[in-house]
Parts: sequence; C-alpha cells; structure tokens
Amino acid sequence: KAGVTQTPRYLIKTRGQQVTLSCSPISGHRSVSWYQQTPGQGLQFLFEYFSETQRNKGNFPGRFSGRQFSNSRSEMNVSTLELGDSALYLCASSYDRGQRDTQYFGPGTRLTVL
Amino acid sequence: QKEVEQNSGPLSVPEGAIASLNCTYSDRGSQSFFWYRQYSGKSPELIMFIYSNGDKEDGRFTAQLNKASQYVSLLIRDSQPSDSATYLCAADSGAGSYQLTFGKGTKLSVIP
Repeated sequence: KAGVTQTPRYLIKTRGQQVTLSCSPISGHRSVSWYQQTPGQGLQFLFEYFSETQRNKGNFPGRFSGRQFSNSRSEMNVSTLELGDSALYLCASSYDRGQRDTQYFGPGTRLTVL
Repeated sequence: QKEVEQNSGPLSVPEGAIASLNCTYSDRGSQSFFWYRQYSGKSPELIMFIYSNGDKEDGRFTAQLNKASQYVSLLIRDSQPSDSATYLCAADSGAGSYQLTFGKGTKLSVIP
C-alpha cells in the first residue's frame, strides 16, 4: 500500500506570494492533519480535516488555510508569505479521527521563503 | 498554553547501552502519549504509544508513564547506531481532542 504523498517536495517563494501544498493520504484513510516543523518551534499542529470538514485548528494566523476533497486528498494554502513561514510542512493521515496510534506522516514539503 | 518539554540533548550513549529519554507535559487532561523517531531529513515515525500508567514494552523499547508526575519516558535497550535520531514526545489534549502537542525533541547519538 502506498504511503502518504506530498507535493511538491521543495518550494522556493518570495515574501508576499502565496503557496498551495498538496497531501494524498494512504488509501482508505479519511483523516488528514497538517503540521509545521521549524528548528525553533519544533512540530506544531496546523489543522485537521475529516470528511471534508476542518475539525481542529492550531494557533496559526488566518493566512494559513486548508481544505479536504471528497477523495480525502487535502491541500493547505499560505497567503502573503513571510520569512518566518520557511519550514517543513508535514501531513499525516489515519483511517479515522483519533487513531493516532496508526497515524503516518508524509515526507513533507520544504518551503523556503526569500 | 499546553506544553511538552524535552531535553534537547544531544544525548550520547555507547552501543549496547540503555538510552533514557524523558518528557514532561503540562496538560493534566492529556490521556495519550506518543514517541516518534525522526531521522535527519526524514519525517517522524511512530515507535511507541502509551495510555495507562506504568510500563509498556515493545522489543527493545519501553515507554513509561506517570500521570501523577506528568512524566513520560522512553528507554531503548541495547542501543544501536541505527537508533541515532531525534526522538519526539507528543501528548494529546484529552477530552476527545485529536490534536497532538509535540516536544521539540531529543537528539540521540549512539556511539559505536
């Protein structure tokens, strides 16, 4: 069974631009969570999607948004990029909500903001 | 603000020794605790989870939980160079919340 895939793997943007990242969960998995990882702050929860609805949101500004499609694929969008948005963005999928013991991470998208 | 604290390390142990990784959490409502291993340049991989006070063993790994002290630990027996990685501790927010709060990780180096 294929793992969680994320595209693109690397991205370079400039301040003020916007970016869209994509996550395809493991086949059959319906819950997708997004995380931001930086050396200074570590791994921080962004949001969780299940059945095309955002169920949980972390403490991030409104510039960070996302959505989930009927096939469980998810996208996250960051508008008006800032230098501090440079990070590794990880998504994780599980079959159902709360199944963190079978939650798998994708390889991540490395975003660099210049 | 809910926090999970870990010693950033690096923690160096000789091959074959026991590595002990520690974590404290601030939210008394947390019910579930997770240990992830992250190799450099890779994504986190779940290696252990624990819900009840006491010890849970899986191969060379033992997770320990003490809810009264708000303390979680991971012991790695017979440490191998391949165990060299950053270990992330995570806790949920309890009360049916599925959000995980992660510590910043402890970097472990196993010296051959």
